[in-house]
Amino acid sequence: AQKVTQAQTEISVVEKEDVTLDCVYETRDTTYYLFWYKQPPSGELVFLIRRNSFDEQNEISGRYSWNFQKSTSSFNFTITASQVVDSAVYFCALSEFDNTDKLIFGTGTRLQVFP
Amino acid sequence: EAGVTQSPTHLIKTRGQQATLRCSPISGHTSVYWYQQALGLGLQFLLWYDEGEERNRGNFPPRFSGRQFPNYSSELNVNALELEDSALYLCASSLSGDNEQFFGPGTRLTVL
Repeated sequence: AQKVTQAQTEISVVEKEDVTLDCVYETRDTTYYLFWYKQPPSGELVFLIRRNSFDEQNEISGRYSWNFQKSTSSFNFTITASQVVDSAVYFCALSEFDNTDKLIFGTGTRLQVFP
Repeated sequence: EAGVTQSPTHLIKTRGQQATLRCSPISGHTSVYWYQQALGLGLQFLLWYDEGEERNRGNFPPRFSGRQFPNYSSELNVNALELEDSALYLCASSLSGDNEQFFGPGTRLTVL
């Protein structure tokens, strides 16, 4: 069965702290995709990254970085030097390569960054 | 380039009524997806349309239905509204065969 677990419901940090959001997934497929989305208070989901199951290279984009480890079925997201504008709910999602194209979302982690 | 647009922003209905939500995809995208984000239930996949056809649906009753028009815009219809249908309904679009989905701002449906 496919499942995405984001065990951290809410995280609070002070500006400039680094923060890591955890994501653990379950799938029987060998080919799949993992995503991170950001949902600010406005409600719109903002695409951050997509990673396929064959690419375990870590990725860095500015203050954002992602650590994909198939051995532990994890796809963690780190924000370096957090800013107040990073405050949002962050969702991890899984899409299996079975032509359904649906995204299976975790329950989200609410990040609050205080000045 | 315009993103995914949804209308209306807010919709208030009473139990038993019908609701119609609309979505316009990013230009060039032919796939449209609908998701429900209800309090306490997270984001749940509802429907996927591609090239005018329904390709997949989530675990929702038949009173949730929709369609995709020749211009790839889409409608989500919810019949016989129930209180628990109150949620944020998000539409996403993608290129055909690509699962990189871009989301609209959502329609907040409130059922009284």
